[in-house]
Amino acid sequence: NAGVTQTPKFQVLKTGQSMTLQCAQDMNHNSMYWYRQDPGMGLRLIYYSASEGTTDKGEVPNGYNVSRLNKREFSLRLESAAPSQTSVYFCASRTGLPRDTQYFGPGTRLTVL
Amino acid sequence: AQKVTQAQTEISVVEKEDVTLDCVYETRDTTYYLFWYKQPPSGELVFLIRRNSFDEQNEISGRYSWNFQKSTSSFNFTITASQVVDSAVYFCALYARGGGADGLTFGKGTHLIIQP
Repeated sequence: NAGVTQTPKFQVLKTGQSMTLQCAQDMNHNSMYWYRQDPGMGLRLIYYSASEGTTDKGEVPNGYNVSRLNKREFSLRLESAAPSQTSVYFCASRTGLPRDTQYFGPGTRLTVL
Repeated sequence: AQKVTQAQTEISVVEKEDVTLDCVYETRDTTYYLFWYKQPPSGELVFLIRRNSFDEQNEISGRYSWNFQKSTSSFNFTITASQVVDSAVYFCALYARGGGADGLTFGKGTHLIIQP
């Protein structure tokens, strides 16, 4: 039981390059989330998926796309990376009731030059 | 809209001192959940506690305790007899749908430094 896994752990991109951040969970959770963490800003929600086949925008969706490939996997894509997207990205999945708690992956540290 | 305020950006104490991390939240929802997460220097986010809006009982877990007061919209976290291993960034978070996005609203975090 690995919980929430993310790949890669680190990535450096040049402005304009594209990449996909991968997230998978083995806890059979319906809901999954992508957040970004910037210094002094806490975590902010980018996109979420309440169930397989559905996705919705969060607080800061511009510049990103997501895919809920199946119940286990939720990927985040940067089509044309910008320096403003330099951040640490966390994926989370959420248990159902009664615990109703989000558990986070280890994060991906992305630098855009 | 939801909001979480952690006014203490950084706290530094000497080991064995007690320390309280403050969290104030705003929401119009009557049903909501409050959380604390710990982010040690290694960077992962570790779940500590979840409290729902209908349960104002304080909770104690070892050296950790939480004080939830709806009257002041606060959910404070106290570490008793702090240890160096408690050094981390601590985040308070709120979950309340209110017709908005289905995710957590985080405070900006409090960096706790425990000096030996």
